[in-house]
Amino acid sequence: SQQGEEDPQALSIQEGENATMNCSYKTSINNLQWYRQNSGRGLVHLILIRSNEREKHSGRLRVTLDTSKKSSSLLITASRAADTASYFCATDYSNDMRFGAGTRLTVKP
Amino acid sequence: NAGVTQTPKFQVLKTGQSMTLQCAQDMNHEYMSWYRQDPGMGLRLIHYSVGAGITDQGEVPNGYNVSRSTTEDFPLRLLSAAPSQTSVYFCASRVAVFSYNEQFFGPGTRLTVL
Repeated sequence: SQQGEEDPQALSIQEGENATMNCSYKTSINNLQWYRQNSGRGLVHLILIRSNEREKHSGRLRVTLDTSKKSSSLLITASRAADTASYFCATDYSNDMRFGAGTRLTVKP
Repeated sequence: NAGVTQTPKFQVLKTGQSMTLQCAQDMNHEYMSWYRQDPGMGLRLIHYSVGAGITDQGEVPNGYNVSRSTTEDFPLRLLSAAPSQTSVYFCASRVAVFSYNEQFFGPGTRLTVL
């Protein structure tokens, strides 16, 4: 079964607003990664947070990790229409990486 | 530097046919993997390889075979295609297993089995 589960499944916001997506997972991890997928394309890596880190920033992205709750969140600030895509969390442990079902983000101009 | 390449981009098969999806990377990555993505779902791991000559099963390996004779190539073979294998297939690579590195994904192969 898939390791991570994103919430919400779909999110629609206006340009300029912030978007928050959550991810819950089931087992211990080495790190957790977030990926973005534009319609009909492959996944592109956004950010990686190690299991001993609690927060990480990259540009307009902010990721938090709570290993005690087995959860992570991705915040996109000041969203743009070009941020419209699906966002996936991926948990990394042992020999493979497992993905959740994703959050479909729509940013309206 | 082409990254991860996949061929073909689209394929239509009849039930029972076999075919090979090609994947290659030019980044000298040790680790390569195959995923399938079905509508409304995330990616599910089919097979992976931690280096040339070494492969292992992922979450949904049934109906698929892989081999890794070189570092660069990691083909996925469908032995006898079934409609349930209609999906988008992604190949990915990363520097190594147990590394704090991201995976790089190919553009995908959209497969339809009639």
